[in-house]
Amino acid sequence: QTVVTQEPSFSVSPGGTVTLTCGLSSGSVSTSYYPSWYQQTPGQAPRTLIYSTNTRSSGVPDRFSGSILGNKAALTITGAQADDESDYYCVLYMGSGNWVFGGGTKLTVL
Amino acid sequence: QVTLKESGPVLVKPTETLTLTCTVSGFSLSNARMGVSWIRQPPGKALEWLAHIFSNDEKSYSTSLKSRLTISKDTSKSQVVLTMTNMDPVDTATYYCARMLYNWFDPWGQGTLVTVSS
Repeated sequence: QTVVTQEPSFSVSPGGTVTLTCGLSSGSVSTSYYPSWYQQTPGQAPRTLIYSTNTRSSGVPDRFSGSILGNKAALTITGAQADDESDYYCVLYMGSGNWVFGGGTKLTVL
Repeated sequence: QVTLKESGPVLVKPTETLTLTCTVSGFSLSNARMGVSWIRQPPGKALEWLAHIFSNDEKSYSTSLKSRLTISKDTSKSQVVLTMTNMDPVDTATYYCARMLYNWFDPWGQGTLVTVSS
């Protein structure tokens, strides 16, 4: 079965820029996988950040952006803030009505 | 305002069947652009997509859990039901339902924690 890969953890300084990635165990991620990104803080349901590769969900600050970088989907946070410290998940559409989540990235802002 | 709310047992015994209900509001389950998925998250672990039902009643399931899952909907009641058979302690998780709009999940329900223990 296809595995969606994410960095287990990442650290960024306040005000800094960080790029989290979302790849495949085999093959390249393209827009055809409709990558989307979700932010989750402890005890809360996930919140949609980015969908269809690079479209920000309503109310999401423009410091969050999505793209394809090389063979992976990417979530970039520009000007990181303390309350960006969260878990971030990507999910890819595999076709035939199937989706696969990545293992998530725990982002620390310090 | 679109909302989804999960309901079901807090505790189930090993080998029992779990039945969860997702009650939606603010949209119709017959809307062609939308569907509902179930997703779970074991404590401290990652999200895992389980099953999806489309507006036309087509269904899809996680390959690894397909034999144990059944998803259905009652459009008149605005409810989507997930059943999972032969529950095991490793199935202990928070179970979420989420609206699928085209190809992304939004919004999500608050989740319901299900513990499997004798």
